Amino acid sequence: AQSVAQPEDQVNVAEGNPLTVKCTYSVSGNPYLFWYVQYPNRGLQFLLKYITGDNLVKGSYGFEAEFNKSQTSFHLKKPSALVSDSALYFCAVSVTGTASKLTFGTGTRLQVTL
Amino acid sequence: NAGVTQTPKFRVLKTGQSMTLLCAQDMNHEYMYWYRQDPGMGLRLIHYSVGEGTTAKGEVPDGYNVSRLKKQNFLLGLESAAPSQTSVYFCASSYLRGGPSTDTQYFGPGTRLTVL
Repeated sequence: AQSVAQPEDQVNVAEGNPLTVKCTYSVSGNPYLFWYVQYPNRGLQFLLKYITGDNLVKGSYGFEAEFNKSQTSFHLKKPSALVSDSALYFCAVSVTGTASKLTFGTGTRLQVTL
Repeated sequence: NAGVTQTPKFRVLKTGQSMTLLCAQDMNHEYMYWYRQDPGMGLRLIHYSVGEGTTAKGEVPDGYNVSRLKKQNFLLGLESAAPSQTSVYFCASSYLRGGPSTDTQYFGPGTRLTVL
């Protein structure tokens, strides 16, 4: 069975500071990892994904994530946070042969303050 | 393109009532999914479809039925609603481009359902 852990329910950061939202995963086989963002009363929006190749993945809105196979992690990062980045962030994993069934983490709320 | 749309946006049901949630996508995607989102639990897959006329069970299928009669539509039915089905329901779709496990899923805006 595959699983995703997001150990922090909430991350607080000041605008202009770097941010990190943590994600670790557990799968049998090669993982495909995703980050989605959810703004209030909206559906999830795709940010980025790791399929293969370069471990550093760049995505929308200046976000990036680093795949670390030895630590089974896929942390989301941004060099300089904006107040508008405040939202709920979900990490998700799928594995070959699972018919694109994503397993989501419980989500991390990012709060960026002035 | 409207992307993925869901109808209705909000609904309140009494225990035992039935209803159908409609999901429509105009991106010609093969795969469609229904999720429920509950506080502290992330999104859980209810049912999914890999093409017109096909459906399969996800992680939490009990109490729900689905149909995919047309490629662009995916219906989620609750035959006898229960308070435990109070949740926010999201539909998603993906195009079989790189492979089923690697495709990006595109989500609708959600339906907030309350069962009293």
